[in-house]
Amino acid sequence: AQTVTQSQPEMSVQEAETVTLSCTYDTSESDYYLFWYKQPPSRQMILVIRQEAYKQQNATENRFSVNFQKAAKSFSLKISDSQLGDAAMYFCAYRRNTGNQFYFGTGTSLTVIP
Amino acid sequence: NAGVTQTPKFQVLKTGQSMTLQCAQDMNHEYMSWYRQDPGMGLRLIHYSVGAGITDQGEVPNGYNVSRSTTEDFPLRLLSAAPSQTSVYFCASSYSGWGSNQPQHFGDGTRLSIL
Repeated sequence: AQTVTQSQPEMSVQEAETVTLSCTYDTSESDYYLFWYKQPPSRQMILVIRQEAYKQQNATENRFSVNFQKAAKSFSLKISDSQLGDAAMYFCAYRRNTGNQFYFGTGTSLTVIP
Repeated sequence: NAGVTQTPKFQVLKTGQSMTLQCAQDMNHEYMSWYRQDPGMGLRLIHYSVGAGITDQGEVPNGYNVSRSTTEDFPLRLLSAAPSQTSVYFCASSYSGWGSNQPQHFGDGTRLSIL
């Protein structure tokens, strides 16, 4: 089974600053998909951003962007101009191209300091 | 647009009781799954289904049963609840097309406490 590792259980950032959350994964496949989900205290799982492995260009969604390093099997999430509403648990997820299962990391709890 | 609907949102059970967590989706997704979320352990897959009549075990299936009689519904059954099953449970669904970048859509979760 694929493994997804988030090595930072907790992170904090000052409001309006930038923070990067790390994610690495283990796979022998060349085609796959990567996702970042946000889980605020409301418990909802909200898709933040996705990346196709065949795309060299890093995905961006407003203040959220990724640094996808395929050779290093790394998929970090950068949050720019952090806002109080960004405080949440963030999960990295991997999906194989040939299957349906998603593999999740253990999460990073982000605190935003006013 | 309802998406994925889970019921109940909260439940307290006594050890040995049985119950069913309900999950329904209205997006015609073929793939549905159940996860449990425990502190420090992320989301762990319990059971999943790739279509009506087809189910399979995930990482932590013991103590749970599932069935998939329709595309829309995927209930999770606890036959004899144990304190170790105290957790937050999420149902999710996704399009299962080959090479799809579609994400999983999640329900709002069920917080289950076993006394």
